[in-house]
Amino acid sequence: DAGVTQSPTHLIKTRGQQVTLRCSPKSGHDTVSWYQQALGQGPQFIFQYYEEEERQRGNFPDRFSGHQFPNYSSELNVNALLLGDSALYLCASSRLGGSDEKLFFGSGTQLSVL
Amino acid sequence: GEDVEQSLFLSVREGDSSVINCTYTDSSSTYLYWYKQEPGAGLQLLTYIFSNMDMKQDQRLTVLLNKKDKHLSLRIADTQTGDSAIYFCAQDGLTASKLTFGTGTRLQVTL
Repeated sequence: DAGVTQSPTHLIKTRGQQVTLRCSPKSGHDTVSWYQQALGQGPQFIFQYYEEEERQRGNFPDRFSGHQFPNYSSELNVNALLLGDSALYLCASSRLGGSDEKLFFGSGTQLSVL
Repeated sequence: GEDVEQSLFLSVREGDSSVINCTYTDSSSTYLYWYKQEPGAGLQLLTYIFSNMDMKQDQRLTVLLNKKDKHLSLRIADTQTGDSAIYFCAQDGLTASKLTFGTGTRLQVTL
């Protein structure tokens, strides 16, 4: 049973560029959440997707957007990259309303903005 | 607002017990969690506790919750070198998907 998978594992971009990160949820899960983890910090909630719609959003600007596909996989897009966007981006999945609705995380995409 | 705090670093000898502490401000959580992060890896869910419970034991792990003081702790018995990692406590909010994490405690296990 594959867990949460993310691609790519590492990415280097320059300021002003745009980036797309991808996530496949754990088998049986229908909800995907994205988190940003800056160096030396705990992860911070960006947003959650369920039924192909953004359901909740954290304190992140509109430059951060996402999408969920019918197969429950998800993409995180970041436009007009800033140096401060350099971080580990973690995807997590869960099954909404399940008896054991807990978040399972992928290994993350390390984004470096130069 | 939501705020979760942890001490930054803990060093223990192999075979001893480790106790990692966490304080939080939001008392409306349903569950509180402990996650483990090894270098270059994502987060691994270690254990969690329902907010109405005081204690939960899971093999070498014991979670204690003091709701009055808003204090959560994780005890690891017989700590091994493989336990060296960063440990995050987290609490949920309106949903289980939106977690607020602490800054993490780096556990170093020495021989």
